[in-house]
Amino acid sequence: NAGVTQTPKFQVLKTGQSMTLQCAQDMNHEYMSWYRQDPGMGLRLIHYSVGAGITDQGEVPNGYNVSRSTTEDFPLRLLSAAPSQTSVYFCASSYGVPNSGANVLTFGAGSRLTVL
Amino acid sequence: KNEVEQSPQNLTAQEGEFITINCSYSVGISALHWLQQHPGGGIVSLFMLSSGKKKHGRLIATINIQEKHSSLHITASHPRDSAVYICAVPPPYNTDKLIFGTGTRLQVFP
Repeated sequence: NAGVTQTPKFQVLKTGQSMTLQCAQDMNHEYMSWYRQDPGMGLRLIHYSVGAGITDQGEVPNGYNVSRSTTEDFPLRLLSAAPSQTSVYFCASSYGVPNSGANVLTFGAGSRLTVL
Repeated sequence: KNEVEQSPQNLTAQEGEFITINCSYSVGISALHWLQQHPGGGIVSLFMLSSGKKKHGRLIATINIQEKHSSLHITASHPRDSAVYICAVPPPYNTDKLIFGTGTRLQVFP
């Protein structure tokens, strides 16, 4: 099992450019989520999905889109990048939602995005 | 007031010391997560617990639901334990989400 695979690891964008951060998991997890991590702040939820075809907004969804057409993939799209989106992004997955049973999260390695 | 607060923010220790990191939360919860983030940036889930105590190797996590408090203990600390330790809880208004603390940065010196 590869676990949770995120690409790219690093990306530099200019303001206004668009890009997609890829996230794939091979553990048949239903729950997938995207977080951003900024200095001095805790991880913040951008979007999440409880299963294929279902997505919902987190704390900081503005400027980001997601889709979940398959169980395995959960891409995060930046439609028009802004300097405020400079951050480290983490994708995570688990069997179920974070409050249930023994559903610990498995995180990807992170993607460092800089928007100039 | 933040919904999840950790203390201390920074912690230094000598190898072999017993470490305690605290997490307090203001919302009613069903479970609490402890995560570890190494300097390279990767995040690993250590524990998820909803009551009592869990142990994995030298790591012990406890939770007191009534007092809204959890602790992470590291026995016989080692330099490889140096990392940021993060607690997270699902809020009662949407248990599909997690609220994260800002983390405790631990450095263990030989």
